[in-house]
Formats: sequence, C-alpha cells, structure tokens
Amino acid sequence: KQEVTQIPAALSVPEGENLVLNCSFTDSAIYNLQWFRQDPGKGLTSLLLIQSSQREQTSGRLNASLDKSSGRSTLYIAASQPGDSATYLCAVRPATSGTYKYIFGTGTRLKVLA
Amino acid sequence: ETGVTQSPTHLIKTRGQQVTLRCSSQSGHNTVSWYQQALGQGPQFIFQYYREEENGRGNFPPRFSGLQFPNYSSELNVNALELDDSALYLCASSLVREESTDTQYFGPGTRLTVL
Repeated sequence: KQEVTQIPAALSVPEGENLVLNCSFTDSAIYNLQWFRQDPGKGLTSLLLIQSSQREQTSGRLNASLDKSSGRSTLYIAASQPGDSATYLCAVRPATSGTYKYIFGTGTRLKVLA
Repeated sequence: ETGVTQSPTHLIKTRGQQVTLRCSSQSGHNTVSWYQQALGQGPQFIFQYYREEENGRGNFPPRFSGLQFPNYSSELNVNALELDDSALYLCASSLVREESTDTQYFGPGTRLTVL
C-alpha cells in the first residue's frame, strides 16, 4: 500500500531564506509525482509535476527533484517571500492502479515571516 | 484559475441527512475525481468517473455515491451523514487519453459541516 510522508509538518522561516520541503513514498512504482500549494480553506494549485522518467522540474523560484528508486522528492523554494506562506502537499500517482488518482501526504505548513 | 467550479462553497447539515455536492469540470475534460480532505490532513481519494462510468473507488462506504453527466459535470452524494463526514470536498478534472494523461485540475472545494 502506497504511503506518502512529508517532513517537516510545519516550518517557520524569515523572509529571504532558501528552504527545502521533503516528501517520501513507500512504493517506487509511480507514474508521476506532483507538488501542490493550498491556501487556508481553499483548493489545490498545482506547482510542479514530475514524470517518473524525470529527475527534476523547475518553475521560477521553485525546483522539485525526484529520486524514484529511493522514494524521495524535495521541493526547493529560493528566496522565500511572505506570499509563499501556505500548506505544500506532495502527491504520487501509483502505477499499479488503472485509476487516475493521487495519494497525498499530510502536507508541510509553511510560514514566511516578513 | 483552473476552470473547475464547485457548488455550494459551504454547507451545514445535521447527522442523518443527505447532501449533494456539484462540480463543473474544465472544458474538454472527460475524467473527474472526488477527494475528501479532513482538517489537517491530505486529500483522500473517494472515487473517479470516466465517461460517465465509475472507474475506481477509494476506501469509502457505499453511502458515498456519484454521477457524471454527458457534459462532464459531476455530483457527489452522501447519504446518512455522520459527524466524521465534515471535511473539504474537492473535485478534480483531467483529460485522459490512450497515449497520455494531462494533469488534474482541482476546484476550490465545498466545505461540509455536519452537526
């Protein structure tokens, strides 16, 4: 059974810091991994999608890496800003299921202090 | 803005009642998935519909049911509401083709409170 874990559960940093969010998953048989952002009480915004054959994806100040064999992904945020404050969710799409579904971690709550 | 809309935004029901939540998929998408997100947790997969047929189900009882319509809008129905059904319900639409799969686009969610 695929399980996704995110560490740390919460993080508070001063503005301008570079930071790393971690995600681990137990089954390496995945189609892809996706990082989402969720603001309080809101839906999910996709940040980066990494296919199983890829090692990393970049978008602006965000960089996500994927090491499928070790079951790990990291989301790197450069030069953090107060507007980055949100919950960041990692999700994997299992390759063992014919259903297009994602298994989510419980998220990392990030607070960037001005 | 993903193009996926959900209604209502908030809903309050009492235990034992029934509720219907609605989702309008992004134009052209043929697949819709529903997720339940309890407070402080990640979303949990409820089920998925592909071309109006259920195409996979998570660990949810039969009192959770759904429909997908020809215009690819969708409903989530929950019967005999329980207190633990209080959560944010998210729908996500995508275009699934034989050769590739697009990403899922999530709606803003419906916050259900069961008293």
